[in-house]
Amino acid sequence: DAGVIQSPRHEVTEMGQEVTLRCKPISGHNSLFWYRQTMMRGLELLIYFNNNVPIDDSGMPEDRFSAKMPNASFSTLKIQPSEPRDSAVYFCASNEQGLSYEQYFGPGTRLTVT
Amino acid sequence: LAKTTQPISMDSYEGQEVNITCSHNNIATNDYITWYQQFPSQGPRFIIQGYKTKVTNEVASLFIPADRKSSTLSLPRVSLSDTAVYYCLVGDNTNAGKSTFGDGTTLTVKP
Repeated sequence: DAGVIQSPRHEVTEMGQEVTLRCKPISGHNSLFWYRQTMMRGLELLIYFNNNVPIDDSGMPEDRFSAKMPNASFSTLKIQPSEPRDSAVYFCASNEQGLSYEQYFGPGTRLTVT
Repeated sequence: LAKTTQPISMDSYEGQEVNITCSHNNIATNDYITWYQQFPSQGPRFIIQGYKTKVTNEVASLFIPADRKSSTLSLPRVSLSDTAVYYCLVGDNTNAGKSTFGDGTTLTVKP
């Protein structure tokens, strides 16, 4: 298995632009998680899905952030409009719901908003 | 979710055994203890999970006392490549979505 796949690996954009981050979970995993990591705030859970349904989005910082999971093999995290304070590494992770806390993380997308 | 407390940083030398302790005084009956490792520019990686007593795998051992209010991750004979941040998480496995990563412990292994 290729593991969790994220794209792009690096993204540089200007303030005000729309940013879309993509994630392909491990085949067979039915839970998907989006995290954000910064030096100041550490690793934060933004939202997670079970069976393509958003379960808890309380970690989403504000309305500029939205996430979708149209099918079991694809999810997006969108920021519109982007701001410099959104600069961070965004991780996607997946696992088999309820089996354990053993989440499998992707390599992350490093986002820089100038 | 139970709050966890870990040392911010630790130093060690190659070949030594390293023990990282995590405090979780408010752990609930159904909670498991999970440890992750994160290298720079990578996502966290699962190391080990346990409920009580001792768990061992090819990477580490996890010691959990009877009261479960703390746990110790033990890394035998560390090498330079074990330099990473180690996170302790506590939670109910049936609600794995509620993952809270604390500040972690930055382990630096020196030659």
